[in-house]
Amino acid sequence: QSALTQPPSASGSPGQSVTISCTGTSSDVGGYDYVSWYQQHPGKAPKLIIYEVSKRPSGVPDRFSGSKSGNTASLTVSGLQAEDEADYYCNSYAGSFYVFGTGTRVTVL
Amino acid sequence: QVQLQESGPGLVKPSGTLSLTCAVSGGSISSTNWWSWVRQAPGKGLEWIGEMYHGGGANYNPSLKSRVTMSIDKSKNQFSLKLSSATAADTAVYYCARNGDWSRTTGYYFDFWGQGTLVTVSS
Repeated sequence: QSALTQPPSASGSPGQSVTISCTGTSSDVGGYDYVSWYQQHPGKAPKLIIYEVSKRPSGVPDRFSGSKSGNTASLTVSGLQAEDEADYYCNSYAGSFYVFGTGTRVTVL
Repeated sequence: QVQLQESGPGLVKPSGTLSLTCAVSGGSISSTNWWSWVRQAPGKGLEWIGEMYHGGGANYNPSLKSRVTMSIDKSKNQFSLKLSSATAADTAVYYCARNGDWSRTTGYYFDFWGQGTLVTVSS
């Protein structure tokens, strides 16, 4: 049950888009449409921003979108804003347990 | 709005048992949700520890399964975590979280989180 692989960092200027990948295996990401994404600001608890691959909870801006192809899921943040600067983690159900991604720090330039 | 609050000792001795409780307010622990624990070592990523359902049933991270016990107290609307044989590697911020409502969606995500509590394993 290794962690899902995410790039350590990503960046973009305000208004631009950034896409974060999350690579797993056929036993987790590729096997279930149960990928979720979390945003975590320093010293704060994670916040759910995407669930079931592409669904947004109430209150999450539509600038956040998710997708999946094979064993890789992706999170795209469009129209980057200063408050989007945070760590982002993917998560996947893996059949009776869950696995998180390694995390990606997004910097707004 | 559901709120979760972790509590427990902030310092545990090596080889001891780490014990935490998560109090749930604004909702019932007997709802159609599972309840999870997640931890984050200093400067590291998130790690799922395990989940439990009020009606019975629990699932644990295979890498921690031999040391983890979770329980639910319906009368107090809270759930608990015990991690035995603690080592310095168990030093982390521990979060409790609510899984999604399986009666409305699949439930395979964590929609409400506690603020987290730091537990240090040290002599």
